[in-house]
Amino acid sequence: AQKITQTQPGMFVQEKEAVTLDCTYDTSDPSYGLFWYKQPSSGEMIFLIYQGSYDQQNATEGRYSLNFQKARKSANLVISASQLGDSAMYFCAMRGPPSGGGADGLTFGKGTHLIIQP
Amino acid sequence: SQTIHQWPATLVQPVGSPLSLECTVEGTSNPNLYWYRQAAGRGLQLLFYSVGIGQISSEVPQNLSASRPQDRQFILSSKKLLLSDSGFYLCASSYHRVEQYFGPGTRLTVL
Repeated sequence: AQKITQTQPGMFVQEKEAVTLDCTYDTSDPSYGLFWYKQPSSGEMIFLIYQGSYDQQNATEGRYSLNFQKARKSANLVISASQLGDSAMYFCAMRGPPSGGGADGLTFGKGTHLIIQP
Repeated sequence: SQTIHQWPATLVQPVGSPLSLECTVEGTSNPNLYWYRQAAGRGLQLLFYSVGIGQISSEVPQNLSASRPQDRQFILSSKKLLLSDSGFYLCASSYHRVEQYFGPGTRLTVL
């Protein structure tokens, strides 16, 4: 079974500082994908970044980067130069190999509530 | 790119009443479709997924059901709602196993 652990229920960060959101995962499958989503107060889930288990380099998307440490089974999200609009819930998620039915739902962590202060 | 529509946006229903939530997808064909539920202050839990018309798999036993009558339509239903069915329901779509895109969600309150 797959499991995602996010140990930071909430974080307060000063605007323009860098932020690291922690995520550890557990799986016995060699092939998997790791995702980060942002959920503002409106409720929509916004895809931020993806890292495949066989990817050699850490993923980056603009101000977002994923610090992937495979041996430690961690996939921390780094947000550089935080902005007030970054305040939201952040979820780490994992996708494993397709199940017998062929689809592949995501397993989510409980999330981290990030608040950026001016 | 994919666009996912969900309705209604909010819903307040009494215990024991039926439920029908609809999700439609634009911009792709033959997507994998998913229903998730998010309880207040929690992460998302996968409820159902579908790889094609009429093909539904359930991840969690409950009094909910799902159907996929058309390629880009996914429906979540219940014959009799329970208080514990309250939550935020999100439909998601993926194509060729890339990232999942989510709809705007339906906030359901069962009283």
